[in-house]
Amino acid sequence: QLLESGGGLVQPGGSLRLSCAASGFTFSSHAMGWARQAPGKGLEWVSAISGSGGATYYADSVKGRFTISRDNSKNTLYLQMNILRAEDTAVYYCGKNWVAEGYHFDYWGQGSLVTVSS
Amino acid sequence: DIVMTQSPDSLAVSLGERATINCKSSQSVLLSSNNKNYLTWYQHKPGQPPKLLIYWASTRESGVPDRFIGSGSGTDFTLTISSLQAEDVAVYYCQQYYDTWTFGQGTKVEIK
Repeated sequence: QLLESGGGLVQPGGSLRLSCAASGFTFSSHAMGWARQAPGKGLEWVSAISGSGGATYYADSVKGRFTISRDNSKNTLYLQMNILRAEDTAVYYCGKNWVAEGYHFDYWGQGSLVTVSS
Repeated sequence: DIVMTQSPDSLAVSLGERATINCKSSQSVLLSSNNKNYLTWYQHKPGQPPKLLIYWASTRESGVPDRFIGSGSGTDFTLTISSLQAEDVAVYYCQQYYDTWTFGQGTKVEIK
């Protein structure tokens, strides 16, 4: 199971941190990631991190503003989002990868809504 | 970056008929060392998370009905729903994982 939290309303230029609590599998054995869906738009991959946390990956649209991290002792994934823009408004989904180093994502959480607006 | 392009953007199919969705990648997602295509298909319904249907371009995820068939190799892929059911109404996405990850723009499937 994947349970996202931390979404909400934030002003442009502000920050927000999403969390994703994982259960039911060996967390450190799987890469994890985030995808999002803006209102009326399709899915967009955002970021991913290897099982050890040693490798991170970002979409160009968020590079330099978002930081992905994980705490394997707490089975929790994070997405720190800074310098938020209106176009970051979306439902953010936490995803579990098939393996530790990144193949396909085989399970997604229910999502957390982030709204960037003044 | 690898760009994924799906066609059509939407289609309406009668119940029991075949639905075919195409996905084209801007470069090959076939890794020659293991002969695997790094491509998945997801089903996404409103208010729900995306659901994995197919990985390695043609391997059906456990529990997915066998009417969902993935095919193709290299840069051209197809998802076929052999006999459309009412519960298949959704948006379908292809995604490559050959070089980070990229989704296609999605194809909306409706009942005619």
